[in-house]
Amino acid sequence: NAGVTQTPKFRVLKTGQSMTLLCAQDMNHEYMYWYRQDPGMGLRLIHYSVGEGTTAKGEVPDGYNVSRLKKQNFLLGLESAAPSQTSVYFCASTPLAALGEQYFGPGTRLTVT
Amino acid sequence: AQSVTQLGSHVSVSEGALVLLRCNYSSSVPPYLFWYVQYPNQGLQLLLKYTTGATLVKGINGFEAEFKKSETSFHLTKPSAHMSDAAEYFCAVNFYSNYQLIWGAGTKLIIKP
Repeated sequence: NAGVTQTPKFRVLKTGQSMTLLCAQDMNHEYMYWYRQDPGMGLRLIHYSVGEGTTAKGEVPDGYNVSRLKKQNFLLGLESAAPSQTSVYFCASTPLAALGEQYFGPGTRLTVT
Repeated sequence: AQSVTQLGSHVSVSEGALVLLRCNYSSSVPPYLFWYVQYPNQGLQLLLKYTTGATLVKGINGFEAEFKKSETSFHLTKPSAHMSDAAEYFCAVNFYSNYQLIWGAGTKLIIKP
C-alpha cells in the first residue's frame, strides 16, 4: 500500500494564481483532512471530509475550497493565492473505527510570492 | 474551550539522557490522547495513544506516556535519548469526536552529542 500520497511535493505560485493540491489514499479510509503547518503554530485544520461527497470547514477555511468526488481522493484548491498561504500542507486520513488515528501524507511545500 | 498545551517549543537533551516532553489538556472529561512524531521534511506518524485501560502506554522507538487524570496530563518520556529521536513531537486529544483532533503547538526535541 502506498498509504497517503500528495501531489505535488513543491510548488511556487505568484500572487493571484490558482492551483489544486491532490491527496490520495489507498486504505479505504472514511475521513480525510487538509491541514496547514506554519512555524510555531502547530497544525491547523483547513477542511475535512467525513465521506465521499461531503466536506466541512475546519479552523482556517478562508481562501481554500475542497472536493471529495471519490472516496480515495481529497482535493484542496486555492482560487487566488496570497502570500499568507505560504505554508506546508498536509493531508491525512482516518478509518471509521479509529478515533484520532490519523495517517499523514508527506506534505506539499507551497510558496506564494 | 478545550485545548492542549505543550510546555516548551524546544527541548534539548544530551544523548543518553532522559527525555521528558510535557502535554496538558483542559477538560473535565478525560479524552483520548495521542502523541505524534514528525521527522524533518516528513509527515506526522502516530507514536502512541491512550483510549481506555492501562494509563501507562508504550509506543514505538522506546517511548512511553502516562495518563494522569488528576493532573490532566499525558507526558511523553524515553529513558535514554538517541540521536535519531531528534524530531518535532505533537500531543493531540480527541473528545469523542468521530473525526477531529485538537493539536498542541509541538515541541522540537534536540539531541546533543
